[in-house]
Amino acid sequence: RKEVEQDPGPFNVPEGATVAFNCTYSNSASQSFFWYRQDCRKEPKLLMSVYSSGNEDGRFTAQLNRASQYISLLIRDSKLSDSATYLCVVIAYNQGGKLIFGQGTELSVKP
Amino acid sequence: DAGVIQSPRHEVTEMGQEVTLRCKPISGHDYLFWYRQTMMRGLELLIYFNNNVPIDDSGMPEDRFSAKMPNASFSTLKIQPSEPRDSAVYFCASSFARTLEPQHFGDGTRLSIL
Repeated sequence: RKEVEQDPGPFNVPEGATVAFNCTYSNSASQSFFWYRQDCRKEPKLLMSVYSSGNEDGRFTAQLNRASQYISLLIRDSKLSDSATYLCVVIAYNQGGKLIFGQGTELSVKP
Repeated sequence: DAGVIQSPRHEVTEMGQEVTLRCKPISGHDYLFWYRQTMMRGLELLIYFNNNVPIDDSGMPEDRFSAKMPNASFSTLKIQPSEPRDSAVYFCASSFARTLEPQHFGDGTRLSIL
């Protein structure tokens, strides 16, 4: 079983739709969580950190459920420019604090 | 501010050749990471350095791969001899405090081994 698992997608949605990505992690010692965005043939870029209380940044909402070892990202009112691959990232300090990346979920927003 | 700078951006070479990838981290960052990304395996951490010292190289696939960081502003990743299965995008990333700060990635080197 992979340490960080995501639905690979692709998710094909129309503009304006709400889309949710899920991510599960296997290491219960994981302590920091992030969502990265990667555009085609580009480097990953930090989208947002994920906090225990949940956090929101504009149209993006991230949630963490430690009991279920589950992280989510919700995108509201999706734009064409949201088309990208979204990577779930976990830091497990009992593994030397390495960032563990999920395989990514591909999102395609259509007009 | 300059970000993480990698060179070359693209490399195409024949199998058996030595390949050297280069990285200049963001000034002041004390952690440097090398990643490899393929369609099959996603993004994998190969090795990382703290204050120029290799800390964890457990992700390095085999002895053909080696990495060095002779000073705080430069690192290399070498593959010798190269094989077609080494074809991938290689990213370098740096950060100031690894456990707290998310990493800043370079543009990557797209490596094709023929």
